[in-house]
Amino acid sequence: EAQVTQNPRYLITVTGKKLTVTCSQNMNHEYMSWYRQDPGLGLRQIYYSMNVEVTDKGDVPEGYKVSRKEKRNFPLILESPSPNQTSLYFCASSAGTGIFGDGYTFGSGTRLTVV
Amino acid sequence: QKEVEQDPGPLSVPEGAIVSLNCTYSNSAFQYFMWYRQYSRKGPELLMYTYSSGNKEDGRFTAQVDKSSKYISLFIRDSQPSDSATYLCAMSARGTGRRALTFGSGTRLQVQP
Repeated sequence: EAQVTQNPRYLITVTGKKLTVTCSQNMNHEYMSWYRQDPGLGLRQIYYSMNVEVTDKGDVPEGYKVSRKEKRNFPLILESPSPNQTSLYFCASSAGTGIFGDGYTFGSGTRLTVV
Repeated sequence: QKEVEQDPGPLSVPEGAIVSLNCTYSNSAFQYFMWYRQYSRKGPELLMYTYSSGNKEDGRFTAQVDKSSKYISLFIRDSQPSDSATYLCAMSARGTGRRALTFGSGTRLQVQP
């Protein structure tokens, strides 16, 4: 089954404790992205990756890091989480067809709470 | 002002009703328009995808784009309780270089049996 898998689904952590949210896709997609979803603000892009070793900032990158060492994996790293990073996070992937606006396949989400 | 505006609802309708969901946008460069459905505790899933202006129909769903008014709509005919979800509009412009979608904040729909 074609899918994007995120782990963990739920995470409660304390301020300043480094954490990693994993994302893996099995569709051989070139493009991967991380979004956060907050009430009233919708989905906002954090980081994206056009291919292996190619990453760049989205709209809200502060406080986050990513890496893309393999095509299928795109982990999101919070080096020093703060309470304002409490949110619902989604990883998404898309085929690199060159047609902008291709639909994304989203993971099921990671609900992060930073206390 | 947000680039994409969407009424958050909730919108409550009886089973069998025709539902109209709408988004307005301000960026005239948007050319690709999508509707996603998001069930509780799930990621968004793509429902409809249209390019530029016009209508597109897929079963009970019809997407309309009016670029002159910067207005897009999703119509659901014969609505079912299983259609109860949050509907997100999304759009993008060619040439962004990062394939970013700009999302509306979502409209929560409840279809009452």
